[in-house]
Amino acid sequence: GAGVSQSPSNKVTEKGKDVELRCDPISGHTALYWYRQSLGQGLEFLIYFQGNSAPDKSGLPSDRFSAERTGGSVSTLTIQRTQQEDSAVYLCASSPGQDRVEQYFGPGTRLTVT
Amino acid sequence: GEDVEQSLFLSVREGDSSVINCTYTDSSSTYLYWYKQEPGAGLQLLTYIFSNMDMKQDQRLTVLLNKKDKHLSLRIADTQTGDSAIYFCAETFAGNNRKLIWGLGTSLAVNP
Repeated sequence: GAGVSQSPSNKVTEKGKDVELRCDPISGHTALYWYRQSLGQGLEFLIYFQGNSAPDKSGLPSDRFSAERTGGSVSTLTIQRTQQEDSAVYLCASSPGQDRVEQYFGPGTRLTVT
Repeated sequence: GEDVEQSLFLSVREGDSSVINCTYTDSSSTYLYWYKQEPGAGLQLLTYIFSNMDMKQDQRLTVLLNKKDKHLSLRIADTQTGDSAIYFCAETFAGNNRKLIWGLGTSLAVNP
């Protein structure tokens, strides 16, 4: 079946612009995670959605970062007023939820802020 | 605190076994994972182990967990050039929404 998809695959933006990154999880997966992979920091958790519960935003690095998940499916990560330190690969993962603990990752969006 | 450590590089000959090691500090870890990342590709879940287990085997992969020493290893039998990749160890622990805490990854080079 279809895996997690993300778009765009690459995004180059100027410092100060806003960007939106999209994630389509595996159909039926109730849990969705965003992570960031950068050279200096490795892989970091950003935000977690589970069903209709309030998201866990504890990993968002600043208030310029926000995310939403509409209809329990597609998620959008928004970065406002991008900075050069935001350059990284942004990875989305989904999980079946409940007793299942596997997380399946999309190919990521490589964000470059110039 | 949350900390996962791995050695950064490992080089083996094709056909040998590879052993990639990981240590973690949080004794309340519930699940431990191994992911594989090939150049330019996403993260592929290889296997995971529940913290009350000490071993899990899946074809060429063997995971060993020493909970007392907080040490996790991944053994790849009969390593092939296609196994060249970065291998990440990750953990989740009780009450943290199963967010993954990651090591920095071990780059495995397989030489013919």
